[in-house]
Amino acid sequence: GENVEQHPSTLSVQEGDSAVIKCTYSDSASNYFPWYKQELGKGPQLIIDIRSNVGEKKDQRIAVTLNKTAKHFSLHITETQPEDSAVYFCAASTGNTPLVFGKGTRLSVIA
Amino acid sequence: KAGVTQTPRYLIKTRGQQVTLSCSPISGHRSVSWYQQTPGQGLQFLFEYFSETQRNKGNFPGRFSGRQFSNSRSEMNVSTLELGDSALYLCASTLGRGVNTEAFFGQGTRLTVV
Repeated sequence: GENVEQHPSTLSVQEGDSAVIKCTYSDSASNYFPWYKQELGKGPQLIIDIRSNVGEKKDQRIAVTLNKTAKHFSLHITETQPEDSAVYFCAASTGNTPLVFGKGTRLSVIA
Repeated sequence: KAGVTQTPRYLIKTRGQQVTLSCSPISGHRSVSWYQQTPGQGLQFLFEYFSETQRNKGNFPGRFSGRQFSNSRSEMNVSTLELGDSALYLCASTLGRGVNTEAFFGQGTRLTVV
């Protein structure tokens, strides 16, 4: 089955700097890669996703890149703000199979 | 449009008891998945229901079960509770399956087994 590895497990950045979180997956059949943000006491919230026919996707300060050959994808947050502090999860799916999640990255943005 | 609603938000149960958790998906969404979230294991898939049928099942013991009703609402049940079942149980709804539609999560039910 699918296995998703996520790094780093914790990340501290200064406000205004960029943050990058990386994930690798094992199943070459996976074709959907969402990213979730989870704040304390809340459920995960979808922030951006990418599908296998696209190499990069941007939404304001957030971007995701996908390298299908290397089986890895990354989340990039630019101009970080204190409200970006949360736990971020990557996930992968083949379509009819459940999402498989990475273990999460705790991002702290220091003002 | 209302989001995914999970009830109750918090539960405290004693070892050996059983518990039922409820999930109401976003209106129009027909697929509901359940996940267990713990600090050590992250988000682990329990099961997925679509049109009242279980479509996928994760690697959990038979004490964990679920069902889906004709209005797409879903319940999961855990029998003979163990201390290790303490976790945040999350429900996610998607419009359908077969295509990679977005999964929207509820706030979860925090279960504590004492």
